[in-house]
Amino acid sequence: GAVVSQHPSRVICKSGTSVKIECRSLDFQATTMFWYRQFPKKSLMLMATSNEGSKATYEQGVEKDKFLINHASLTLSTLTVTSAHPEDSSFYICSARGGGMAYEQYFGPGTRLTVT
Amino acid sequence: GENVEQHPSTLSVQEGDSAVIKCTYSDSASNYFPWYKQELGKGPQLIIDIRSNVGEKKDQRIAVTLNKTAKHFSLHITETQPEDSAVYFCATRTFQKLVFGTGTRLLVSP
Repeated sequence: GAVVSQHPSRVICKSGTSVKIECRSLDFQATTMFWYRQFPKKSLMLMATSNEGSKATYEQGVEKDKFLINHASLTLSTLTVTSAHPEDSSFYICSARGGGMAYEQYFGPGTRLTVT
Repeated sequence: GENVEQHPSTLSVQEGDSAVIKCTYSDSASNYFPWYKQELGKGPQLIIDIRSNVGEKKDQRIAVTLNKTAKHFSLHITETQPEDSAVYFCATRTFQKLVFGTGTRLLVSP
């Protein structure tokens, strides 16, 4: 299957600072990228969907000013958690899907964010 | 919106036994049904998928069946091995969003 990478895999930051997470599709062009959040022992919660060159579409209840998403190219999307607080601590996972008739959606390895 | 139910939440089997995980969904417009395996601390890995125009698909020890009329689909793992131990998620897609089930923790004991 296709490969999606995420960086960093783990990050610890102080409350009030911002953190950027990168997501890359390594061997295919990702027309659409998704960002998920996962709490311990829970399912994946979709935060937002982004199409290359367009503004992201956020799910209900997700603050777009807090979780900034940029999808500047067909292989790169970034999620910036602004003014992070301890309640933002979570496992963030990106996902990518190719264009056209592509059905498959591939996930990155995830980023563990801890806000102290 | 779409609602996906997944059962059981935990499943313990002996090595070599078969494991079956079932999901039901509500939106008849769903047309794609993937299954993901997630190991601790890692992202989900696509293991098999099926589209709405197919009733069954098999890949070595894993298979998925789909009943669109009843709106349910199942994952079958035969000859389970300890390395199959993980959390498995079913999902459906309506338009471009995946909706996930609640997950099944599979434990395969040697």
